[in-house]
Amino acid sequence: NAGVTQTPKFRILKIGQSMTLQCAQDMNHNYMYWYRQDPGMGLKLIYYSVGAGITDKGEVPNGYNVSRSTTEDFPLRLELAAPSQTSVYFCASSYSTGDAPDTQYFGPGTRLTVL
Amino acid sequence: AQKVTQVQTEISVVEKEDVTLDCVYETRDTTYYLFWYKQPPSGELVFLIRRNSFDEQNEISGRYSWNFQKSTSSFNFTITASQVVDSAVYFCALSAFSSNTGKLIFGQGTTLQVKP
Repeated sequence: NAGVTQTPKFRILKIGQSMTLQCAQDMNHNYMYWYRQDPGMGLKLIYYSVGAGITDKGEVPNGYNVSRSTTEDFPLRLELAAPSQTSVYFCASSYSTGDAPDTQYFGPGTRLTVL
Repeated sequence: AQKVTQVQTEISVVEKEDVTLDCVYETRDTTYYLFWYKQPPSGELVFLIRRNSFDEQNEISGRYSWNFQKSTSSFNFTITASQVVDSAVYFCALSAFSSNTGKLIFGQGTTLQVKP
């Protein structure tokens, strides 16, 4: 199993550009998450999904969009990049039956710089 | 509201010393889960432990141990006989059962430096 994979690893964007951060998992996990980690800070939840076709906002959703058309993939879209979106982005997944939150396993991260 | 506070921002120790990282949490839920993750210099997040609110037994895994005290809302992490490879940022996180989404609330992290 590859676990959770993210592409690209690094990216530099100009203000106003758009891009999609890719995330895929091969563990058949139903729940998937996007977090951002700013320097010296903990992770903050951007969006999450509890299954294909179902997404919802987290703590810091502004400036981002997501979709979940398959169980495996959960891309994060930045439409108009701003310097405030310079961060490291982590995708995570977990399996839950609804009884309890299970352990989240994280991808290696994407380091994004907006200039 | 839920919140996680990691008491120490940075800790520096010499190899073989014991070190404790303190985590204090706030939640109104009676059922919740607590986690510790390690982020080494390479940047990935490594899962260390998951604990539910009904299990207050301390846990030991090799040189790692965790002390969960509901009375003080704390979930502290101790590394015994620290090693240079333990140098990393450690995150404590909380997930409330009532959210039914598994969302994690992270502390700001404690940077541990172990010097040879």
